[in-house]
Amino acid sequence: EVQLVESGGGLVQPGGSLRLSCAASGFTFSSYAMSWVRQAPGKGLEWVSAISGSGGSTYYADSVKGRFTISRDNSKNTLYLQMNSLRAEDTAVYYCAKTKVVPAALGWSNWFDPWGQGTLVTVSS
Amino acid sequence: SYELTQPPSVSVSPGQTARITCSADALPKQYAYWYQQKPGQAPVLVIYKDSERPSGIPERFSGSSSGTTVTLTISGVQAEDEADYYCQSADSSGTYGGVFGGGTKLTVL
Repeated sequence: EVQLVESGGGLVQPGGSLRLSCAASGFTFSSYAMSWVRQAPGKGLEWVSAISGSGGSTYYADSVKGRFTISRDNSKNTLYLQMNSLRAEDTAVYYCAKTKVVPAALGWSNWFDPWGQGTLVTVSS
Repeated sequence: SYELTQPPSVSVSPGQTARITCSADALPKQYAYWYQQKPGQAPVLVIYKDSERPSGIPERFSGSSSGTTVTLTISGVQAEDEADYYCQSADSSGTYGGVFGGGTKLTVL
């Protein structure tokens, strides 16, 4: 059974930093891209970042580019999200998700399955 | 920025058919995906690649595509289907990542 368990969330002041972790089990971790998706309180889903299976390629939403860094340690089956220069608008539940990528008529297409239970990040003074 | 448009809410009585739409310009050339999210829980994939159903998802969930609109259909709606539903796709650049629709609250009357 695939399991994804996030950790590292908490309360941080604006401008501060936080590192999220996602421990994966039940599948060959290095064979899959992984992603972070967030959900602000009472709001919808927003894709944040993705990383290829090898870790050699990374992708970011414009809203976090230059502030967040995604990485992975395939020897530890763990995904990370380093979040710097945090803002109030970064307050959200952060989910990690196993990501399946397939060719599409326009470039690539990917979906998220399954998702972890999420970890709450609150940015407030 | 690229957007997927969903109705904010849909209401149906138990046993009826619920249809939730999602519209965007690139949908004719990009796959769409649907997620169900119940309060306090993580999203769950219910449809992938427009119309494929993951194992473990009830047969009453189906997906279809027509032009710039994709539709999630739930036949014989049950009380347990009350949830938020999100569509997801990619924009015309086709890079890793994804764009989500705003979500549709399905209410079972």
